[in-house]
Amino acid sequence: DAKTTQPTSMDCAEGRAANLPCNHSTISGNEYVYWYRQIHSQGPQYIIHGLKNNETNEMASLIITEDRKSSTLILPHATLRDTAVYYCIVNSGGSNYKLTFGKGTLLTVNP
Amino acid sequence: NAGVTQTPKFRILKIGQSMTLQCTQDMNHNYMYWYRQDPGMGLKLIYYSVGAGITDKGEVPNGYNVSRSTTEDFPLRLELAAPSQTSVYFCASSPSHTYDYEQYFGPGTRLTVT
Repeated sequence: DAKTTQPTSMDCAEGRAANLPCNHSTISGNEYVYWYRQIHSQGPQYIIHGLKNNETNEMASLIITEDRKSSTLILPHATLRDTAVYYCIVNSGGSNYKLTFGKGTLLTVNP
Repeated sequence: NAGVTQTPKFRILKIGQSMTLQCTQDMNHNYMYWYRQDPGMGLKLIYYSVGAGITDKGEVPNGYNVSRSTTEDFPLRLELAAPSQTSVYFCASSPSHTYDYEQYFGPGTRLTVT
């Protein structure tokens, strides 16, 4: 699986959009970008995933650049409960179902 | 629908003791996983299973054993506990979809070996 690079930490004001970047410059054509988050002491929670097109669900939006070498997770209106570590993971899906979690980005939402 | 449940929530073991971490899912998922997370680090895969009777090693399998006799249960066995196994253990499951899958995680078991 391709390696990902994320900032160690980020801050965001409550009510504002949080934009979390991820670089995956060695991503191959069949690899998906997945985002999970882990609120303190809890198990990771799936957020969203995509292959080429931008994706949106009730939690977040995922913007993938045209060359697929980077992506941005957008939380449109961050709340204090969104404070968590966010993991960007690249995986080819199919039979390669093993996720590799790095250290992620600690997002702190401030009041 | 409880999702993925794990027991116990906390456990303290003495060096050399053994224990089994329990994991159960009620979503009829074929795939199940065990991860460990050391302080300040990401998750590392210990073992996984693609269905009842089928298990395989992940990234850090040494010191652990698993079994999968039913679709619902995937226990993790620690033999001869060592301080290096102090960690938080997460169990997860996922459906057998080809591309659109997500892993559902349990709340974790905090294990301390002293």
